[in-house]
Amino acid sequence: QSVLTQPPSASGTPGQRVTISCSGSSSNIGSNTVNWYQQLPGTAPKLLIYSNNQRPSGVPDRFSGSKSGTSASLAISGLQSEDEADYYCAAWDDSLNGFWVFGGGTKLTVL
Amino acid sequence: QITLKESGPTLVKPTQTLTLTCTFSGFSLSTSGVGVGWIRQPPGKALEWLALIYWNDDKRYSPSLKSRLTITKDTSKNQVVLTMTNMDPVDTATYYCAHMREGAVAFFDYWGQGTLVTVSS
Repeated sequence: QSVLTQPPSASGTPGQRVTISCSGSSSNIGSNTVNWYQQLPGTAPKLLIYSNNQRPSGVPDRFSGSKSGTSASLAISGLQSEDEADYYCAAWDDSLNGFWVFGGGTKLTVL
Repeated sequence: QITLKESGPTLVKPTQTLTLTCTFSGFSLSTSGVGVGWIRQPPGKALEWLALIYWNDDKRYSPSLKSRLTITKDTSKNQVVLTMTNMDPVDTATYYCAHMREGAVAFFDYWGQGTLVTVSS
């Protein structure tokens, strides 16, 4: 059971816009920034969005992130077949001595 | 160019202790604001964060696994070592190490390729 809650699956057709949600609590998303990772099949996760809405160099601007309260969202516009992957949100949790928490992941299918 | 690579046994027996090494290049773990973390992923399942060591040797552990984990660093060798005691088949997973940048915000920006560890007798 992951601390951050994501829908297990999402889908869209090429060109569409899809969003993936990530729900947490006051001790993690409510207090800290959210990062998103993309994991293509058989590969290591790749940083996609950091600090809620910042894109690392090389990430297309089709990917965007937002945060409100204890929830965050990842949006992908102009969906492409190569976007088919697993997406994970993550945030630092301030409780106990502090630790990282990840979402359960969302498998995105491009129909 | 930052790179990380995990190494260790591919197969361990139940109750044994797992020792994994992360060897990195392109950064120093003595630089302020830098950390290295370990994250694992059971086959077909989600990512699970395990442990983190900071540039100043501060350490953090997953609350659910804290009693079984130890993370250390050897700055001169550019290595971080994770030990996990009392291994169980449910610990079968791909184990990743990752470079963490911290400051006003923190994130894992570079990941190793991962190493699959199977726990079986």
